[in-house]
Amino acid sequence: KAGVTQTPRYLIKTRGQQVTLSCSPISGHRSVSWYQQTPGQGLQFLFEYFSETQRNKGNFPGRFSGRQFSNSRSEMNVSTLELGDSALYLCASSLEGSSSYNEQFFGPGTRLTVL
Amino acid sequence: ILNVEQSPQSLHVQEGDSTNFTCSFPSSNFYALHWYRWETAKSPEALFVMTLNGDEKKKGRISATLNTKEGYSYLYIKGSQPEDSATYLCAFDNYGQNFVFGPGTRLSALP
Repeated sequence: KAGVTQTPRYLIKTRGQQVTLSCSPISGHRSVSWYQQTPGQGLQFLFEYFSETQRNKGNFPGRFSGRQFSNSRSEMNVSTLELGDSALYLCASSLEGSSSYNEQFFGPGTRLTVL
Repeated sequence: ILNVEQSPQSLHVQEGDSTNFTCSFPSSNFYALHWYRWETAKSPEALFVMTLNGDEKKKGRISATLNTKEGYSYLYIKGSQPEDSATYLCAFDNYGQNFVFGPGTRLSALP
């Protein structure tokens, strides 16, 4: 069974640009969550999508948005990039997301550098 | 705001040493706690899901305990090996809405 995949793995952008990251969950998983990790910080929750709907949202500005497609693949978009957006972005998939202590399976992450 | 803490932030042990570290979380409205192991350049890998007070889980040389009344979980590694070197994360499961991660404990097991 293929694991969670994320593309691209590395990305360099400049301030003010926008970026789209992609996440393909494990086959059969319907929940995709996105996390940001910056130096010195733990994984910070961005949002979760389930069946094409944003179900939960963390405390990030509106420049961070996402969507999920009917095949459960998810994209995350960051507009008007700032230097502080430089981070490792991880996505995680699970069967249902909420309930039943669902284990989350993580992808390898996308390393975004904003210059 | 939920706060999950881990200590120590990092530690170095010699091969063969046993070690343990702590995850502290809110003791009210407990749902579940997850432990992950994150090796450099790899994806975080799930170790345990802890759900009941007094839970003890074991996987090889790694085990974990849970005390929901006082809001802590311990992760133990017996006889550390260099391949145990990783960052160990705990995540408070906020009723399935989201995971609140601690900052992690970085373990270096030296040969």
